[in-house]
Amino acid sequence: DAGITQSPRHKVTETGTPVTLRCHQTENHRYMYWYRQDPGHGLRLIHYSYGVKDTDKGEVSDGYSVSRSKTEDFLLTLESATSSQTSVYFCATARGESYNEQFFGPGTRLTVL
Amino acid sequence: SQKIEQNSEALNIQEGKTATLTCNYTNYSPAYLQWYRQDPGRGPVFLLLIRENEKEKRKERLKVTFDTTLKQSLFHITASQPADSATYLCAPAPRAGNNRKLIWGLGTSLAVNP
Repeated sequence: DAGITQSPRHKVTETGTPVTLRCHQTENHRYMYWYRQDPGHGLRLIHYSYGVKDTDKGEVSDGYSVSRSKTEDFLLTLESATSSQTSVYFCATARGESYNEQFFGPGTRLTVL
Repeated sequence: SQKIEQNSEALNIQEGKTATLTCNYTNYSPAYLQWYRQDPGRGPVFLLLIRENEKEKRKERLKVTFDTTLKQSLFHITASQPADSATYLCAPAPRAGNNRKLIWGLGTSLAVNP
């Protein structure tokens, strides 16, 4: 276990409200990722970070923003939640060595009503 | 565009048999390929990595092959057990310089029946 926690683990919210998901790691890994996983789509990258304050977009970044002010924390914000953002969100980390084994958190199940 | 395909149908096998899962990729030349296991309600867990210059990699009852000509990786579980029942994901990785992003297949569900 790479010491990755996600909070909250479950959340129900209403359309139009902002939501922030937190990922915390204790392994000092350089790379951090936010994915969403939906039936029929598999894991899709939302945003990733390659260092403190260094972030970039993934393939499904619209409607999401991220921040990484410390190595251990990577926050994902849904600026104005929509029902299409109902999903399971996974955070992952990687050391950043040549071959990039990723370590995943337990996931956050988000429901937007 | 880059595409990863895994067996879309669930694989059901008898305990003790060998399970073989397939991962095909197109429009892509990965430097290496990873396999992960995912149990319901949990995040994926890394199993094995194979580099483009390796034909085969083994770890206990697991074996992975990587054929860059066929653009295919095969994942084998020998002497399968009910505890091996899970979804298995393949994730080819691009060459260095792409911030280590992986591209994920949809996964193949494996059920090992006692």
